[in-house]
Amino acid sequence: AQSVTQLDSHVSVSEGTPVLLRCNYSSSYSPSLFWYVQHPNKGLQLLLKYTSAATLVKGINGFEAEFKKSETSFHLTKPSAHMSDAAEYFCVVRIFPMDSSYKLIFGSGTRLLVRP
Amino acid sequence: GAGVSQTPSNKVTEKGKYVELRCDPISGHTALYWYRQSLGQGPEFLIYFQGTGAADDSGLPNDRFFAVRPEGSVSTLKIQRTERGDSAVYLCASSPRAGQGTDTQYFGPGTRLTVL
Repeated sequence: AQSVTQLDSHVSVSEGTPVLLRCNYSSSYSPSLFWYVQHPNKGLQLLLKYTSAATLVKGINGFEAEFKKSETSFHLTKPSAHMSDAAEYFCVVRIFPMDSSYKLIFGSGTRLLVRP
Repeated sequence: GAGVSQTPSNKVTEKGKYVELRCDPISGHTALYWYRQSLGQGPEFLIYFQGTGAADDSGLPNDRFFAVRPEGSVSTLKIQRTERGDSAVYLCASSPRAGQGTDTQYFGPGTRLTVL
């Protein structure tokens, strides 16, 4: 079965330092992978997505992620954290063609705390 | 419209009551999804509409849950005989084309349902 594992439930960094949020996926087929961010009392917003093109994906707000098939990983990074990055981050997988509904499967989330 | 909208934003009800949650997708979007997000967890898929029909309802937890999309636009999620365990944030998402795995799903702000 397809699944996503976010390895850290909480990550705390100082403002201006790098961010690393880890994600591993399980899939027998070619996945599409996404990172979504959820700020308090706001809707989910897409940060970036991988759909079998370039393995290094750049997203909004300076975030990027690298798809590594050999490691089944899709870690999210940012060179320098801002206070406004504090939020909940979800790694998401979508498996097709076996799953024709294209539903998203979410990880359990990583809460990013940015210290001043 | 500008984005996916959901009403009400908050709904408090008593155990055993019936509730309806509404989703207005982005104009022209063919695919519509419902997800449920329990406290401290990632969203979980409930049902997927391709136009007016429910193409995948495998995520509905039991027969108390039902959803419709009669004209292929607005959707209503209906919950009968609500239970305290139904308390969660119910999220709606839409994407431009049904059957396109690479399309982004755009999420609404959610309806927070509390069953007392």
